[in-house]
Order: sequence, then C-alpha cells, then structure tokens
Amino acid sequence: NAGVMQNPRHLVRRRGQEARLRCSPMKGHSHVYWYRQLPEEGLKFMVYLQKENIIDESGMPKERFSAEFPKEGPSILRIQQVVRGDSAAYFCASSMGTAGSGTDTQYFGPGTRLTVL
Amino acid sequence: AQSVTQLGSHVSVSEGALVLLRCNYSSSVPPYLFWYVQYPNQGLQLLLKYTSAATLVKGINGFEAEFKKSETSFHLTKPSAHMSDAAEYFCAVSERNTGKLIFGQGTTLQVKP
Repeated sequence: NAGVMQNPRHLVRRRGQEARLRCSPMKGHSHVYWYRQLPEEGLKFMVYLQKENIIDESGMPKERFSAEFPKEGPSILRIQQVVRGDSAAYFCASSMGTAGSGTDTQYFGPGTRLTVL
Repeated sequence: AQSVTQLGSHVSVSEGALVLLRCNYSSSVPPYLFWYVQYPNQGLQLLLKYTSAATLVKGINGFEAEFKKSETSFHLTKPSAHMSDAAEYFCAVSERNTGKLIFGQGTTLQVKP
C-alpha cells in the first residue's frame, strides 16, 4: 500500500520561473492538504482540497500561488514567477475524509524541497 | 483561534533517560491534538493523537502523551530514550471543520550516547 507520493523530491528554479509540485494521495483518500516549511520556521498550512474543490485556501499567499486537485490525477501546487523567499520544503498530506475531519489522521508525503536561485 | 506552543526548541537527553517534550495548546473548543515526528529530509509520521477519548494516549515507538485540560497541556513522554529517537517533534491541533493542522514550532530532540 503506497503512501503519499510527492514529486519531484528536489526542484531547483531560477527567479521568475514556474514551479509545479505534484502530490498523489494514498489510495482511498479524497482529502489533500498542502503545508510549507520555511527554514527555521515550523510547518504552516497552505490549502485544503477535495476532489475538484478548494475547501480552505486561507494559508495561500494571495498572488502567484495556486492549487488544484482534479477528478483524475495528482494534486498540483503551482508557484508562478518564483522568488528566493519561496525556497522551502512543501509537504502534502492526505486523509480519508471520514465524518469529523478534525479527527482524521493526515499521512504526509516526503516533501518537495524547492530551491530558488 | 487555536494555537500550540512547544516549550524548548532543543532538548538533549542521554540514551536511556526519560524524554519529555512539552506542548501547550489554546483552544476555545475541546481540541484534537497530535504529535508528529520528522526525521531529517523526510515527511512527518504520526506518533499519536488525542480525539477526546482516553486522556492518556499511547503511540508508536514507546511514546505516550497525556491530555490535561486544567493545564492546557499535551506533553509527550518516553521512559527510555533510544538513539533512533533523535529527530524533530511537532505538536499540532486540528481545526474541527476542515482538519487543517496548526503546528507548534517544533522541538529537536538530541540523544547522547
């Protein structure tokens, strides 16, 4: 039973380029969360998605960042026109989404480490 | 708003000694609380969670945590540290409606031989 898959594991971009981070949830999981871990900071929530719907994007920067979770395929976190401050580890987590989301266990992927030159 | 505070960004113990990692929460509703462990360059792994059942929660790798409402605490303990316990530990509270996790700053555990 494969866990949460994220790719690429490492991504290097130059300022102004686009970064696309992919997350495949665990089998049977329909809820996806994205978190960002900046150097010397803790993990911060970015966005919560269900299939084809963004449920909560209160942690997403207002500009340049977007996320989707299509009916088929992985969830994508997209960062346009990257800047050095976007360098961080981005983690995806998935859960089954049973009744009472607050008690669900979130299973984390290994993360994508983005470096912006 | 809910929040979590982890006291001590670095904790160092000797192998075989008691591990105590502190976590205090703030929540206007009964909280759901989690402890995760992160090994270098890896994702987070759930150690244990409290979801309003038993206040003493046992997790993996010999860890346990006790929910104390009067102290708004959810400290993580392990009776005897092992070298393999060296990692970063995160306490988190989840938002009831969405499940999104609000993390503390993390505590790095060092285990000395």
